[in-house]
Amino acid sequence: NAGVMQNPRHLVRRRGQEARLRCSPMKGHSHVYWYRQLPEEGLKFMVYLQKENIIDESGMPKERFSAEFPKEGPSILRIQQVVRGDSAAYFCASSPLEISNQPQHFGDGTRLSIL
Amino acid sequence: GQQLNQSPQSMFIQEGEDVSMNCTSSSIFNTWLWYKQEPGEGPVLLIALYKAGELTSNGRLTAQFGITRKDSFLNISASIPSDVGIYFCAGTPKGRDDKIIFGKGTRLHILP
Repeated sequence: NAGVMQNPRHLVRRRGQEARLRCSPMKGHSHVYWYRQLPEEGLKFMVYLQKENIIDESGMPKERFSAEFPKEGPSILRIQQVVRGDSAAYFCASSPLEISNQPQHFGDGTRLSIL
Repeated sequence: GQQLNQSPQSMFIQEGEDVSMNCTSSSIFNTWLWYKQEPGEGPVLLIALYKAGELTSNGRLTAQFGITRKDSFLNISASIPSDVGIYFCAGTPKGRDDKIIFGKGTRLHILP
């Protein structure tokens, strides 16, 4: 009964490199959400996806950030040309179709550190 | 207008005490959710509330959806050491059922 799986748990990148964060939702869940958390802060919504569709990306910066949830495989959050300010914990959550607007289950996050 | 104000920001209590925290907004919310996050882990959903006035329990935890739909509270009775963590309220604003907004969290510390 695997939960939401995120990898890697920790990712270190130098400024200018690319970061790829992966999220496999719970079995049977077709909705994925990405959140960003800074120390001592709550979670900030970034993007909401269904399989092959971006439903809401209003929380995601227009440049350097992209997300996808392909028909097969995990959801990917991609950050190009990372900067120091991208350092944060990135959490993925999933929910089943019938309560699609509520992230019921979170992964344990990827902690991104930019050197 | 759709921000959530969560208070208190942190609490220091003795084991066995009851705990109360709340979340308010100037906007109406259709759903209230309460999560707990422990260090190095993702948030875990504790209680979900869907109707104004709803009062729901999960063990020693009780949460209520305020009648005005602009607030919610979470109570923890007879706290134990494993209750330590950050408690987040979250909700979906009226008219935006596809959007979840999180509060900044209440950090609960239990004194030995």
